[in-house]
Amino acid sequence: DVKVTQSSRYLVKRTGEKVFLECVQDMDHENMFWYRQDPGLGLRLIYFSYDVKMKEKGDIPEGYSVSREKKERFSLILESASTNQTSMYLCASSLVAIQGYGYTFGSGTRLTVV
Amino acid sequence: QQQVKQSPQSLIVQKGGISIINCAYENTAFDYFPWYQQFPGKGPALLIAIRPDVSEKKEGRFTISFNKSAKQFSLHIMDSQPGDSATYFCAASSGSRLTFGEGTQLTVNP
Repeated sequence: DVKVTQSSRYLVKRTGEKVFLECVQDMDHENMFWYRQDPGLGLRLIYFSYDVKMKEKGDIPEGYSVSREKKERFSLILESASTNQTSMYLCASSLVAIQGYGYTFGSGTRLTVV
Repeated sequence: QQQVKQSPQSLIVQKGGISIINCAYENTAFDYFPWYQQFPGKGPALLIAIRPDVSEKKEGRFTISFNKSAKQFSLHIMDSQPGDSATYFCAASSGSRLTFGEGTQLTVNP
């Protein structure tokens, strides 16, 4: 089974801190995605990547950046954390470049910004 | 702007009953419609999916009905079980990006 591992299950950070959320997948998938999940809003795409060093903005990229230096690792960076970035963050990977199927999600990181 | 609208937000069903969750989309370029199931503390997992060239797909107790002209699709869970209690997300894609609905929290009472 494909495994997508998110480094932290829970994080508490202070406003203004730089925050790194790490995601690693073990099945050589080309595509990796970062979503945030909020009640009543579903999952919203922040950034995605189709290849190493390649990134594209999703629907809500403001306040975030990403890094993909290696194929298996995709990092989400909050440059200066704010309270409105308190959320559940989900990383996903997929093999197929066409169509949205075959997403494998990690278990999520619940980030609280105080 | 939410391109995929999902309802209801929450649903309570008795064991053995039928659970129905509805979604509507706007973008006619969407060409793949999956449903994801999420249990507490876990990430979403693919449950069942359909393409717009068919009107229905069934896998066990789970059925997707698709109405292309109305731009609507729905998930039916037959003989609902307490183990089906989870959050369900519909989604749609054109290309490799998925757009998700708001989610439905399903509770199946024993």
